[in-house]
Amino acid sequence: SQQGEEDPQALSIQEGENATMNCSYKTSINNLQWYRQNSGRGLVHLILIRSNEREKHSGRLRVTLDTSKKSSSLLITASRAADTASYFCATAPPSNDYKLSFGAGTTVTVRA
Amino acid sequence: SAVISQKPSRDICQRGTSLTIQCQVDSQVTMMFWYRQQPGQSLTLIATANQGSEATYESGFVIDKFPISRPNLTFSTLTVSNMSPEDSSIYLCSVDGIRQGEDWGDTQYFGPGTRLTVL
Repeated sequence: SQQGEEDPQALSIQEGENATMNCSYKTSINNLQWYRQNSGRGLVHLILIRSNEREKHSGRLRVTLDTSKKSSSLLITASRAADTASYFCATAPPSNDYKLSFGAGTTVTVRA
Repeated sequence: SAVISQKPSRDICQRGTSLTIQCQVDSQVTMMFWYRQQPGQSLTLIATANQGSEATYESGFVIDKFPISRPNLTFSTLTVSNMSPEDSSIYLCSVDGIRQGEDWGDTQYFGPGTRLTVL
């Protein structure tokens, strides 16, 4: 079942702007992972953040995790047309950190 | 990370037939999974493919409809049996616990997916 809920469902921005999307979840987690999917293809892993971490960076990506609010955010800075994709958060429970529950996703469109 | 391939990448099938999807990974992994993504939807876990034993299915998925094999640490198959148009989806395999020297990683990676259309 889906545990994560992404917000917003869709986002349209101009190239060069930042894009922020949020993920909320309901139960305790072991870790939270963000993925990107281009046009119905496979998922590309972006970042994994563990429950004892608050922030991680990878290139133009910044992920935060607030376990007290059961929420995470993904920030893409200086967006490019190639960032146009759907972004999903996936949570793993403490009892079985292999078993991911995916949110509904945020569709990001970057306009040139 | 790991390189994961799936065959076929896409197929169009007639209702009532079956299709077997293969997933091959270039590293030994502890866990392999199969997901379904219906059009415009998120991913739903079908089952965990266990090496040398029966797969573990999630609620709403049964072995008769989705038989799974995993003969070794790098290969798995998913069969979609007696297909109907409702089975039209993208099917993705994923792997976790990739061997990294003496350790096993904890990031889950996905294959490119198999786009199935049932007429």
